[in-house]
Amino acid sequence: GAVVSQHPSWVICKSGTSVKIECRSLDFQATTMFWYRQFPKQSLMLMATSNEGSKATYEQGVEKDKFLINHASLTLSTLTVTSAHPEDSSFYICSAKIPGFNYGYTFGSGTRLTVV
Amino acid sequence: AQSVTQLGSHVSVSEGALVLLRCNYSSSVPPYLFWYVQYPNQGLQLLLKYTTGATLVKGINGFEAEFKKSETSFHLTKPSAHMSDAAEYFCAVTVSSGTYKYIFGTGTRLKVLA
Repeated sequence: GAVVSQHPSWVICKSGTSVKIECRSLDFQATTMFWYRQFPKQSLMLMATSNEGSKATYEQGVEKDKFLINHASLTLSTLTVTSAHPEDSSFYICSAKIPGFNYGYTFGSGTRLTVV
Repeated sequence: AQSVTQLGSHVSVSEGALVLLRCNYSSSVPPYLFWYVQYPNQGLQLLLKYTTGATLVKGINGFEAEFKKSETSFHLTKPSAHMSDAAEYFCAVTVSSGTYKYIFGTGTRLKVLA
């Protein structure tokens, strides 16, 4: 139980285009989701926290206009990288808080974004 | 503020040998501590967590960790390494502040030698 499905698993796009990454909770309602970015051989850096039906809370230094987060339903959160540039190439991972478990989280399988 | 330090970005052990991955934390309030494992190009899988209660916690795949407040440590151990244990391991901390935000360590890559 408590599975999060993240798609796509990898994507290549051209500079200047936008890319949308989806994170779906398959068997539970996720009121809170988190988006992380992971650079090669580095740790996960929290980008933003999204709560269903409200605006996302972005961490310091994360451009909210570039990384658009939408959490319009209890089972879906999306991250859109707008006007992507090569420096946006990274591994993006979503995570969802499991209901009923204060510190229970489940992670998606990640999306490898390459901007060429 | 909370922080996590993982000593040793790379650890190599022989198959069958003891695995010890070190994690030290800094927190002004009682922490909640976690160990996650990440296989290449995959998300994170929870190995174990400490919130309250027993300081020695057992997780999946034979891993365990002990919360030592006096040493501000939460080291991960496994008595006998298996080839399938080769992966990246992350220690994380959070606190009961209601934000549920994790602070991750920089990770330790475990290599298991045949």
